[in-house]
Amino acid sequence: SQKIEQNSEALNIQEGKTATLTCNYTNYSPAYLQWYRQDPGRGPVFLLLIRENEKEKRKERLKVTFDTTLKQSLFHITASQPADSATYLCALDILNTGNQFYFGTGTSLTVIP
Amino acid sequence: GAVVSQHPSWVICKSGTSVKIECRSLDFQATTMFWYRQFPKQSLMLMATSNEGSKATYEQGVEKDKFLINHASLTLSTLTVTSAHPEDSSFYICSAWDRVLPNQPQHFGDGTRLSIL
Repeated sequence: SQKIEQNSEALNIQEGKTATLTCNYTNYSPAYLQWYRQDPGRGPVFLLLIRENEKEKRKERLKVTFDTTLKQSLFHITASQPADSATYLCALDILNTGNQFYFGTGTSLTVIP
Repeated sequence: GAVVSQHPSWVICKSGTSVKIECRSLDFQATTMFWYRQFPKQSLMLMATSNEGSKATYEQGVEKDKFLINHASLTLSTLTVTSAHPEDSSFYICSAWDRVLPNQPQHFGDGTRLSIL
């Protein structure tokens, strides 16, 4: 059965440090993987997309890696700020049809000033 | 960026009432819309996938007669929770996606918090 796991439910880090979030999946070979941010009571907001043939993608302070052998994606936030505190979700296009997406369990990140 | 409007944002109603939630893509054509349900501190659970002009595809365990989905145009999909009961109370979120554009993300509405008394 499908399974997408993200590391620890909650992650606390000190401001200025790098936050690293993990997304592990089993039983799939997705063509691409996405990361979203969700604030309480709001819908998720798209951050980054990485394709299976891309090892790494960057956007400002964000970096995503995608290891299809390990079936894992890492999401890094460098120079973290309290405003980065939110829940981060990874999502996979399970059927590679672009028609059915499943989300990971989410990691709640708190950046402590 | 793409904007998806979901309405209403909050609904409180009595048990047995039917509730309709609207999801609109404001500045792009949403060939596909997804409906999710989210319980507190849990991830999004996909309920159904709706392609414009077609019947929705429901995930296993989701009652199609309970959660009626209509996607009659490229900018609007509706979810109707029929004869709602307290166990249907949850946070419902829609997202819109244009399958014509490859490898594009979903764009989410801000959700509807449904409370059934």
